[in-house]
Amino acid sequence: EAGVVQSPRYKIIEKKQPVAFWCNPISGHNTLYWYRQNLGQGPELLIRYENEEAVDDSQLPKDRFSAERLKGVDSTLKIQPAELGDSAVYLCASRDSSYEQYFGPGTRLTVT
Amino acid sequence: GQQVMQIPQYQHVQEGEDFTTYCNSSTTLSNIQWYKQRPGGHPVFLIQLVKSGEVKKQKRLTFQFGEAKKNSSLHITATQTTDVGTYFCAGGHTNAGKSTFGDGTTLTVKP
Repeated sequence: EAGVVQSPRYKIIEKKQPVAFWCNPISGHNTLYWYRQNLGQGPELLIRYENEEAVDDSQLPKDRFSAERLKGVDSTLKIQPAELGDSAVYLCASRDSSYEQYFGPGTRLTVT
Repeated sequence: GQQVMQIPQYQHVQEGEDFTTYCNSSTTLSNIQWYKQRPGGHPVFLIQLVKSGEVKKQKRLTFQFGEAKKNSSLHITATQTTDVGTYFCAGGHTNAGKSTFGDGTTLTVKP
């Protein structure tokens, strides 16, 4: 069974530029998460989807971050414009009806 | 909001020594999960505890959930070099589908 797929794996951009991350969850997993992980810290939830509905986006900085999950499968997370403090690893995770979250390899973003 | 604290932040042990990491929540949890993240990798699910006072074992790993469901621990007996990584706990709330991660304990093992 294929795991959670994320792309790109690495991205380097200049501040004020836009960037987008893509996630393909495990087939059949209705719940999808986007996390941000800073160095030396645990994953911090940005947004959670149940199918195509965003049910928890309280931690998403909505002035510059946006996300979508069209058709309840793939998801895209966008930052526009990026700031230096956005440098981090962006993790996507999915789960089915159980509590176990399956994480993707992440996208390491560097903003210069 | 819910906070999950983990101690210690780092632990260096000699191979064969035991290791314990502790997780404490500011609120009562419905469940707690433990994940392991290898250097350069992503978190991988280890186990979930749901019941008050629950103890589960996976080979050399022992997981406990406190009676008040506000704390948990992970104990590794006789560490091996393959145990290196960062161990995260994640506290969950009933029906919320949301877990709050601690900042992890990073274990290094000297052969």
